[in-house]
Amino acid sequence: SAVISQKPSRDICQRGTSLTIQCQVDSQVTMMFWYRQQPGQSLTLIATANQGSEATYESGFVIDKFPISRPNLTFSTLTVSNMSPEDSSIYLCSVGNPGQGAGSAKNIQYFGAGTRLSVL
Amino acid sequence: GQQVMQIPQYQHVQEGEDFTTYCNSSTTLSNIQWYKQRPGGHPVFLIQLVKSGEVKKQKRLTFQFGEAKKNSSLHITATQTTDVGTYFCAPPGTSYGKLTFGQGTILTVHP
Repeated sequence: SAVISQKPSRDICQRGTSLTIQCQVDSQVTMMFWYRQQPGQSLTLIATANQGSEATYESGFVIDKFPISRPNLTFSTLTVSNMSPEDSSIYLCSVGNPGQGAGSAKNIQYFGAGTRLSVL
Repeated sequence: GQQVMQIPQYQHVQEGEDFTTYCNSSTTLSNIQWYKQRPGGHPVFLIQLVKSGEVKKQKRLTFQFGEAKKNSSLHITATQTTDVGTYFCAPPGTSYGKLTFGQGTILTVHP
């Protein structure tokens, strides 16, 4: 398994500002993911953070709004830019090593504790 | 990705009653994972099913993968208050390493 430290755990921000969320893993991982989750809802994948290249974004999410960095195999950041109240949500990072492990260990994702963001 | 329909959306049970959540796909799935998210917490991996007709047990939890690999279920026997949370099925996503999360079933257990 992997231990993921995500911070901040929560924040209240003013509209028009930006917030950067950090995700630190205790071991090198192949893939890091960023999700958004509205309370009581499912997880929506924002992007896959690739080490050494630009992130791959899902439909409906763009780099200008959610710039991502992945400087090495243990760290990534997600920035929520020019925030509006509609950006209020829980943001989660997860990590995975899909090519490693055997049987049920393959393709497992481990999640950080999440960042609860409220935009006023 | 491989879209799935997860039902029910909510389930309220009395402690000691059984609980089942279902995950259905219109296409054949290569595998499926299940995650649990406690209230205020983050998703935690429970299990992965790969083989047709596979059945796996974890104490009071029984996971099944259908013969056609188009559906899966999670059954909890004699629920306890510690079972409270949202249960998600998660088949593979659109590309390598990704997952697609089902809508989730929110389980409430009344003592």
